[in-house]
Amino acid sequence: KNQVEQSPQSLIILEGKNCTLQCNYTVSPFSNLRWYKQDTGRGPVSLTIMTFSENTKSNGRYTATLDADTKQSSLHITASQLSDSASYICVVSAQGGNTGKLIFGQGTTLQVKP
Amino acid sequence: DVKVTQSSRYLVKRTGEKVFLECVQDMDHENMFWYRQDPGLGLRLIYFSYDVKMKEKGDIPEGYSVSREKKERFSLILESASTNQTSMYLCASSWAGGRNQPQHFGDGTRLSIL
Repeated sequence: KNQVEQSPQSLIILEGKNCTLQCNYTVSPFSNLRWYKQDTGRGPVSLTIMTFSENTKSNGRYTATLDADTKQSSLHITASQLSDSASYICVVSAQGGNTGKLIFGQGTTLQVKP
Repeated sequence: DVKVTQSSRYLVKRTGEKVFLECVQDMDHENMFWYRQDPGLGLRLIYFSYDVKMKEKGDIPEGYSVSREKKERFSLILESASTNQTSMYLCASSWAGGRNQPQHFGDGTRLSIL
């Protein structure tokens, strides 16, 4: 069964600190892995998309890694800011069909405190 | 920037009513999607469309239908609303040029069925 599991479910850190969010998946055949940020009351916004051959991708203070052998990804946030408080969703795309099939994780809720 | 606009942020309807949720995108994207988002369940795909008048069922299509008469507009219809359809509904669009295209989401419609 295709599944995406994220950990931790929630996280509280102090402003300025770094943190790492985890994503494990059992999706086959794999196409790509995406991280989205969802602010409260807003729709998700794409942070990164990584294919099988990419193992690191950065977007400002956000760095995503992918280990296709162990089927794990992480999202590292450097020097956190209050605006990083949001839900972070890991999404894995399986091959097939016109658009592929997206399998969504349940998200990690991050709260950054001053 | 891509803009996906959902017609209502909040909507309250009664059981048995026919409910229309509208979504418009301004980037000439071929693909459009409807999801619902519930706590603990993540995002689940209801329907998607990869062209005008084309539609495909997602993971949870029961109780819903869709309409895509124009490329920029994708409507979700609840034929006879029930309380278990109370949820956050998110519309998304993406370009059809390969499966590594990000989905762009609207800010959601929070629908309550009383």
